Amino acid sequence: DAGVIQSPRHEVTEMGQEVTLRCKPISGHNSLFWYRQTMMRGLELLIYFNNNVPIDDSGMPEDRFSAKMPNASFSTLKIQPSEPRDSAVYFCASSLLKGIQYFGAGTRLSVL
Amino acid sequence: AQSVAQPEDQVNVAEGNPLTVKCTYSVSGNPYLFWYVQYPNRGLQFLLKYITGDNLVKGSYGFEAEFNKSQTSFHLKKPSALVSDSALYFCAVRVENTDKLIFGTGTRLQVFP
Repeated sequence: DAGVIQSPRHEVTEMGQEVTLRCKPISGHNSLFWYRQTMMRGLELLIYFNNNVPIDDSGMPEDRFSAKMPNASFSTLKIQPSEPRDSAVYFCASSLLKGIQYFGAGTRLSVL
Repeated sequence: AQSVAQPEDQVNVAEGNPLTVKCTYSVSGNPYLFWYVQYPNRGLQFLLKYITGDNLVKGSYGFEAEFNKSQTSFHLKKPSALVSDSALYFCAVRVENTDKLIFGTGTRLQVFP
């Protein structure tokens, strides 16, 4: 398996623009997680899905952030409108039945 | 509520020497503990986990971790450090009855030649 695949690897955008991050989990995994990593706040869980259903979105910073999982093989994290403080590395991870979480390589987002 | 603490921001060790990266935890039930490693510009990689059983858990790349219930610790160890072990290490605990992991703040390990 190719592992968790995230795209794009790097995203540079201007404040106010919409940003969409994409994730393809490992085939067969039933849980998907979105994390954000910054120097100041470390690694934060934003939201996670189980069987494509959002279970816990308490980490989503505000209404500008939204996440979807339309099917078992694809998820998106959208920021609209983006702000400079959203600059971070965003990770997607997947797991099977409360098992080990496998992380993607991340998307480095810079909002100018 | 579950939590983990990594008291050291950075650990420095000479190549060939043993290394320890510390982690303490707080849980309301049985602890499910994990160690992950992050190399520069990469995602986190699983190293090892403790669910139940032997207090000494062996993992990838020669790493092991010792679970100590009385001290609520789960320290990561390796008998002989390599320069290539230099990375950011995260301890994590699973929130009871969920899939969520709570990560520590990370410890940067620097192994000097």
